[in-house]
Amino acid sequence: GIQVEQSPPDLILQEGANSTLRCNFSDSVNNLQWFHQNPWGQLINLFYIPSGTKQNGRLSATTVATERYSLLYISSSQTTDSGVYFCAVGYSGGGADGLTFGKGTHLIIQP
Amino acid sequence: DAGVTQSPTHLIKTRGQQVTLRCSPKSGHDTVSWYQQALGQGPQFIFQYYEEEERQRGNFPDRFSGHQFPNYSSELNVNALLLGDSALYLCASSLGSREPYNSPLHFGNGTRLTVT
Repeated sequence: GIQVEQSPPDLILQEGANSTLRCNFSDSVNNLQWFHQNPWGQLINLFYIPSGTKQNGRLSATTVATERYSLLYISSSQTTDSGVYFCAVGYSGGGADGLTFGKGTHLIIQP
Repeated sequence: DAGVTQSPTHLIKTRGQQVTLRCSPKSGHDTVSWYQQALGQGPQFIFQYYEEEERQRGNFPDRFSGHQFPNYSSELNVNALLLGDSALYLCASSLGSREPYNSPLHFGNGTRLTVT
């Protein structure tokens, strides 16, 4: 099956710092999503981004499908950004598909 | 606009027992997927239901089964529980009835299952 690698595994930053999280995947995908899991376990969908670039406030994401990677940018970090960020990918030939998740990047934002 | 709701939030079962977890999808969604998340790991895909049928299945044994009802809600059943089944079980809903068939997943808060 498809392999998903996320880096770095852990990241500790001061409030206000910027960060870049990376997701590499081993095969063609037509479904890529970024999620944030907060300390209470809730998974929030940040981006549905199989290709191209999207921005939502302080967060933006870029997926280069031909080179099999995606990047998540967080600017001006806040303590509420702490948690685990997951990249999840899948390929569907015509019906929705289950996603394969990476192991995540554990982000800690210190005040 | 109600999001994805799951019940119960926590559950403790004994090895060998059976368990049923429930999920109501986000309003307007017709597809329900189930994931298992072990401590410190990313979620793993169990199966997906669309139009009351299992559309795709991950690498999980037959002890894991499910059902989708006409109102799109879903149940996950696990038989003959093992200690290793202890995990957070997440339900996600999406809109799978029109292109692009891959739509953003919306997750519920999960059910924490402990098997003793």
